[in-house]
Amino acid sequence: GAVVSQHPSRVICKSGTSVKIECRSLDFQATTMFWYRQFPKQSLMLMATSNEGSKATYEQGVEKDKFLINHASLTLSTLTVTSAHPEDSSFYICSATYGYNEQFFGPGTRLTVL
Amino acid sequence: AQSVTQPDIHITVSEGASLELRCNYSYGATPYLFWYVQSPGQGLQLLLKYFSGDTLVQGIKGFEAEFKRSQSSFNLRKPSVHWSDAAEYFCAVGASGAGSYQLTFGKGTKLSVIP
Repeated sequence: GAVVSQHPSRVICKSGTSVKIECRSLDFQATTMFWYRQFPKQSLMLMATSNEGSKATYEQGVEKDKFLINHASLTLSTLTVTSAHPEDSSFYICSATYGYNEQFFGPGTRLTVL
Repeated sequence: AQSVTQPDIHITVSEGASLELRCNYSYGATPYLFWYVQSPGQGLQLLLKYFSGDTLVQGIKGFEAEFKRSQSSFNLRKPSVHWSDAAEYFCAVGASGAGSYQLTFGKGTKLSVIP
């Protein structure tokens, strides 16, 4: 149980385009989803926290207009990187949870912006 | 604000040897502590967690960790390492937020295993 999927697993896009990453909780209803960013050989940095039906809460330094997060249902959250640039290339990982439980992590999405 | 320090960036051990990965945390309240493992290009898998109670916590894959409040530590141990344990290990502290815990991760320790 407690499986979280992400789609796509890898995406390559041109600079200036937008990319959408989906995060789904497959077998539970996720009241909260988190989005992390991980640079090579570095730790996970929390980008934002999203509760179903509410606006996401972004961490300091994360541009909310660039990283659009939507948590429209209890099983789906999306992260859209708008007008992507090469410096946005990274590994994006989502996690999902319900109440005060552990976070269940997705397998991650590798974004490469050319 | 909470923080996590993993002093060892990279550790190499021989297969069959014992392992200890260090983790120190800073948090003003009772900490909720986690150890995760990440294989290359993959998401994170929870090894074990400490919320309260017995300070020696057993996890999956033969791992255990001991919470020592006086030392602000939560070190991960395994008595005999297998080649498949080679991965990146992250310690994290959870802070109570609005309806869930937010995790702050350490920088990770890469474990290499020599056959």
